[in-house]
Amino acid sequence: EVQLVESGGGLVKPGGSLRLSCAASGFIFSGYSMNWVRQAPGKGLEWVSSISRSSDYIYQADSVKGRFTISRDNAKNSMYLQMDSLRAEDTAVYYCARSPGVGTYYFDYWGQGTLVTVSS
Amino acid sequence: EIVLTQSPGTLSLSPGERATLSCRASQSVTSSFLAWYQQKPGQTPRLLIYAASSRATGIPDRFSGSGSGTDFTLTISRLEPEDFAVYYCQQYGTSPFTFGPGTKVDI
Repeated sequence: EVQLVESGGGLVKPGGSLRLSCAASGFIFSGYSMNWVRQAPGKGLEWVSSISRSSDYIYQADSVKGRFTISRDNAKNSMYLQMDSLRAEDTAVYYCARSPGVGTYYFDYWGQGTLVTVSS
Repeated sequence: EIVLTQSPGTLSLSPGERATLSCRASQSVTSSFLAWYQQKPGQTPRLLIYAASSRATGIPDRFSGSGSGTDFTLTISRLEPEDFAVYYCQQYGTSPFTFGPGTKVDI
């Protein structure tokens, strides 16, 4: 069974940093591109960042470029999102999601999400 | 950036009725790389359709997708009570891989 479990969310002050983790199981992690998608409270879905199987290709939304860094460790079946210079508008549930196809970034499995709150 | 517009914002229907949801892109979506997701309150999104018209694993055949270029449609042939939810389209042909704002299907 495919499982994606996010961790690392919490309350942080504006300008602060946070590192999210996504632990994957139930599939061959190194064979899939992975993604972060967020959802602000009561709002719609917003794609944040994607990383290819071997980290060769990384894509980011303009809203997080220069502040967030996506990475993965295939030996640990894990993906990460380093979030720096956080702003109030980054407050959201952050979902880890798997992309099933090579080079095609739609999402077939999602984690339960981890809440990030940016507030003073 | 490809901007996706979904209409209507809210669709009020009854069980058994047909639902037609629209997703329009500001420019052509490469290779019809468009997906549809369903999200119920308090739940994670669920993939329904990818590549504009391919049903994801386990999705009932009352859900169908169509379209190409800039105009795409999700059709639910006969609404079941569990289908009342918010539906999002997403294009993944060009980064940034944008979502539409969603269509709420309610009773």
